[in-house]
Amino acid sequence: NAGVTQTPKFQVLKTGQSMTLQCAQDMNHEYMSWYRQDPGMGLRLIHYSVGAGITDQGEVPNGYNVSRSTTEDFPLRLLSAAPSQTSVYFCASSPIPRTLHFGNGTRLTVT
Amino acid sequence: SQKIEQNSEALNIQEGKTATLTCNYTNYSPAYLQWYRQDPGRGPVFLLLIRENEKEKRKERLKVTFDTTLKQSLFHITASQPADSATYLCALPEGGADGLTFGKGTHLIIQP
Repeated sequence: NAGVTQTPKFQVLKTGQSMTLQCAQDMNHEYMSWYRQDPGMGLRLIHYSVGAGITDQGEVPNGYNVSRSTTEDFPLRLLSAAPSQTSVYFCASSPIPRTLHFGNGTRLTVT
Repeated sequence: SQKIEQNSEALNIQEGKTATLTCNYTNYSPAYLQWYRQDPGRGPVFLLLIRENEKEKRKERLKVTFDTTLKQSLFHITASQPADSATYLCALPEGGADGLTFGKGTHLIIQP
C-alpha cells in the first residue's frame, strides 16, 4: 500500500550541482505534479503531467525540468541548483477530480 | 490566478470544543474546493471535497460549508481532540494550469 513514494528524503547540494528527485506512484493515476513548499509561501505548483508523454508548467517552473515516460514515474530534475531552490518538494498524484495524494517530501538544501 | 486567504495565526481550541477554520478566495468561484491536513514533516492528506452546488459536506466529525456568494468556505471539527492538532490547507482548482492552488494553511492546536 505504498501510494506516492519520494526519494531521497533529504539532500544537500552545492550551488551549480545537478540532481533528480524521484517520484513513483502505484495507484495508476494519470495526473502527477510537483509542488514546492516554503515558509510563508505555501505550496506552489512547479510542473504537472496529465499522462505519459505529456507535461506542462505550473506557477514556478524556472530551473526545473520534468519528463513522464511511464504512468508510474515523474522525476524532477534540477540542472544547476541555486540557493533559491532550497525548499521541501512534494510530489502528488491524483484521480479525477483532482484530489491529490502526496508523498512525504524531499527536503533539499542548496549551499 | 486565484488568491486564497487563510488565517495565518495559530488557532488554539480547548479539547471537546468545535474548531472552525476559514478559507476565503478572491477571484472566480471554483467548481469545487478541497481541504487537506498536514502534519509536521509529512505531505498533505486529502480530507474533503465540496462542489459549488453543495452547501455542506460532512465526514465523521468534519463539516465543510461552501458559500459562493461570500467566496468563503468554513471547515469545522466537532468534539475536537489533541490528535486533530495539525495545519489545515484549503485548495482550489487553478484556472490556468491543471492543478490546485493552496492557501498557506492554518495551524490548529487542540489543548487538553
